[in-house]
Amino acid sequence: GAVVSQHPSRVICKSGTSVKIECRSLDFQATTMFWYRQFPKQSLMLMATSNEGSKATYEQGVEKDKFLINHASLTLSTLTVTSAHPEDSSFYICSAMTLAGGPMETQYFGPGTRLLVL
Amino acid sequence: KQEVTQIPAALSVPEGENLVLNCSFTDSAIYNLQWFRQDPGKGLTSLLLIQSSQREQTSGRLNASLDKSSGRSTLYIAASQPGDSATYLCAVGNMAGTALIFGKGTTLSVSS
Repeated sequence: GAVVSQHPSRVICKSGTSVKIECRSLDFQATTMFWYRQFPKQSLMLMATSNEGSKATYEQGVEKDKFLINHASLTLSTLTVTSAHPEDSSFYICSAMTLAGGPMETQYFGPGTRLLVL
Repeated sequence: KQEVTQIPAALSVPEGENLVLNCSFTDSAIYNLQWFRQDPGKGLTSLLLIQSSQREQTSGRLNASLDKSSGRSTLYIAASQPGDSATYLCAVGNMAGTALIFGKGTTLSVSS
């Protein structure tokens, strides 16, 4: 089946620093990747939709200047949390939609990245 | 705006019991519905995907049903095992190619 990886799996950083999270589709091409965030005991909430070669679309309440998304290729999207603060500590999960080889509507999820900002 | 609700929030059962997890959604015009499993601190494992034209899907001991008109889905787990302990998430896709809308999940604990 289709595999999506995320790197790093866990990161601890100091307040004010920037953190980059990578999301890769390993064995398929994905024109669309989604970034979700999950706070403890809460559901996954969509942050932004990332389309290859174009600007990301952000959900209401998500600061695009703080959460920079780059989808430079059909297999890689990155999320950069700029000037991270403790309230940004969360579990970040990406998903990718296949171009072929499965139902178009199937999203494949990465394993997630745990961010802790001190 | 689509909202997804899961009841109960938590459930504890002894090993061997059959159980039902519930999911409801406010807008019945969905494209598909998916059930996931999430272990503590881990990512998502897709369990079952039901297209809007389907009424149910089965995989092993799992059976998911969909009633679009009433805005409900159920996940039936037969002969539960301790290894089934996890959080089960229901997610709705409103349109093809769009992000999923998740419920908060039901945390299941199966005791041996």
